[in-house]
Amino acid sequence: NAGVTQTPKFRVLKTGQSMTLLCAQDMNHEYMYWYRQDPGMGLRLIHYSVGEGTTAKGEVPDGYNVSRLKKQNFLLGLESAAPSQTSVYFCASASAGHDPSGANVLTFGAGSRLTVL
Amino acid sequence: GDSVTQMEGPVTLSEEAFLTINCTYTATGYPSLFWYVQYPGEGLQLLLKATKADDKGSNKGFEATYRKETTSFHLEKGSVQVSDSAVYFCAPLSGSARQLTFGSGTQLTVLP
Repeated sequence: NAGVTQTPKFRVLKTGQSMTLLCAQDMNHEYMYWYRQDPGMGLRLIHYSVGEGTTAKGEVPDGYNVSRLKKQNFLLGLESAAPSQTSVYFCASASAGHDPSGANVLTFGAGSRLTVL
Repeated sequence: GDSVTQMEGPVTLSEEAFLTINCTYTATGYPSLFWYVQYPGEGLQLLLKATKADDKGSNKGFEATYRKETTSFHLEKGSVQVSDSAVYFCAPLSGSARQLTFGSGTQLTVLP
């Protein structure tokens, strides 16, 4: 099925460990995003990319790095995990092309639950 | 930057009750407006959208009207079902990179 796939779905880390979350989309979308979801705070944008080889900071970028080496993949890295990064992470993608309705819709992955002990 | 104020939850209703979830926003320019829904253990799905003033988005019995004068996009449904139990997010979309700004979400539980 076409869509956004996130791996892994669950991960437990110890403080100071590093890891990478992978997001893959097969819709040929130009835009990709990483959000984190915390109780009572909705989703907050970490980083985003408007095309292969480009990335930009969102609302809460500290402690994270990203890369977009291929159009279909957007990687989120934690170099030294902290308990404050315990969260559910969502990747999303969107087309840059013109949508007749006037609003390009973001398609979300199922989420990756990360616990940092 | 953009911001969203969404009705605090949790909201608990009986089946067939009327639902309103309030949403007001501040945004630069003229954003498109979305409601997303998150069912337990799942990602976010688009529920409905509106792209200009007075547009009404609708889907699965839910409706929301883009009110530019009050910067609001309240979600309504005339008769909720148990299967509507989920978290609902209001989100304006703006900016050259089409960024969504989410409200804090409203947890809805519908009892049989």
